[in-house]
Amino acid sequence: EPEVTQTPSHQVTQMGQEVILRCVPISNHLYFYWYRQILGQKVEFLVSFYNNEISEKSEIFDDQFSVERPDGSNFTLKIRSTKLEDSAMYFCASSDSGTLLYNEQFFGPGTRLTVL
Amino acid sequence: TQLLEQSPQFLSIQEGENLTVYCNSSSVFSSLQWYRQEPGEGPVLLVTVVTGGEVKKLKRLTFQFGDARKDSSLHITAAQPGDTGLYLCARQRPYPNEKLTFGTGTRLTIIP
Repeated sequence: EPEVTQTPSHQVTQMGQEVILRCVPISNHLYFYWYRQILGQKVEFLVSFYNNEISEKSEIFDDQFSVERPDGSNFTLKIRSTKLEDSAMYFCASSDSGTLLYNEQFFGPGTRLTVL
Repeated sequence: TQLLEQSPQFLSIQEGENLTVYCNSSSVFSSLQWYRQEPGEGPVLLVTVVTGGEVKKLKRLTFQFGDARKDSSLHITAAQPGDTGLYLCARQRPYPNEKLTFGTGTRLTIIP
């Protein structure tokens, strides 16, 4: 069964360093998302991406964040200068076009980012 | 911000018991999704409900969408240890491929 994969599973970095989180969405999906979950808190939307551009971004997704689909398979989230509060689980999700009312988003296993 | 409140926040019951968890909001949903998340993994979609009053069953899990489409419940019959996990409800605005807004979650523990 097709699945979303993410690497690395755990990333430890120093405050101020750049990190790139990588995702391989399901191959025939066209819509891509990043969410994050701070320990003990709810899953929060960061950004959605379609047709090589950002569709929507949350207030969390400031100038320190960027996304890219560098080739036909990868979808990346870059944090330019990490802060302590960026420590969280980051989930990638993808979906096909869905219906008029909803789409089913398939989530990857997540990358745990720890900023020291 | 339209919040999704889930209750209870934590629930710990014995294997074989029945339970119900709830997802409530002050606003109407066009659809509502239930996810289950296990430690160290991403959320996995269980079901989507769309029509007010709709009931969907997934083995021992029964999902109901409120008549007014403002609330939903998940009932588990004869809970098993494998049901342990974080149960999340989530809504989308009624446009294609919109972001998911998740509820606060119910952390369920089934004691063998």
